[in-house]
Amino acid sequence: AQSVTQPDIHITVSEGASLELRCNYSYGATPYLFWYVQSPGQGLQLLLKYFSGDTLVQGIKGFEAEFKRSQSSFNLRKPSVHWSDAAEYFCAVGAPSGGGADGLTFGKGTHLIIQP
Amino acid sequence: DTAVSQTPKYLVTQMGNDKSIKCEQNLGHDTMYWYKQDSKKFLKIMFSYNNKELIINETVPNRFSPKSPDKAHLNLHINSLELGDSAVYFCAASRGQAFYNEQFFGPGTRLTVL
Repeated sequence: AQSVTQPDIHITVSEGASLELRCNYSYGATPYLFWYVQSPGQGLQLLLKYFSGDTLVQGIKGFEAEFKRSQSSFNLRKPSVHWSDAAEYFCAVGAPSGGGADGLTFGKGTHLIIQP
Repeated sequence: DTAVSQTPKYLVTQMGNDKSIKCEQNLGHDTMYWYKQDSKKFLKIMFSYNNKELIINETVPNRFSPKSPDKAHLNLHINSLELGDSAVYFCAASRGQAFYNEQFFGPGTRLTVL
């Protein structure tokens, strides 16, 4: 079965600084990878996704992520964060779950705090 | 227009009660889901429902039952509520299979069982 690890529970970044959120996955084949953002009291919104092709994918709100097969990673980056980026970020892998519900498998999330 | 909506937004109830959460999507998508987000924000899929085929995550108690009156709705019924059912429940919808299609999430329903 697939799994996702987000090693950082909390990250604090100064406004205007760069950001990198880590994500490692475990899956036997080529995974479908996603980053979602959850603002306080809101549902999840898709930032970007990777299926195949160019390993650097661009998303909404100035985010990008790079797929590195050799490291089983899909880290999310942003060159300059804004206070409005404060939220919970979830990495997820999509894969057929072998008879289970074919939803996404999520990491436990990284809580991003922006310092003024 | 809200793509995926849920009602109610908050639900507070006593242990042992039966309650329902409604979900509606206006995207025309054919697959809908229910997720549970626990107090540590861990999201786990409970059900997926596609073309009247229900797939249940094996860890979900049978007190939970999704009901789909039509393609745009997937309601969640919970019987004999327990303290451990307190969580935020998210409905989602996608076109086709979830593992490669974007899922659109509702705003969530915060269930508190006293």
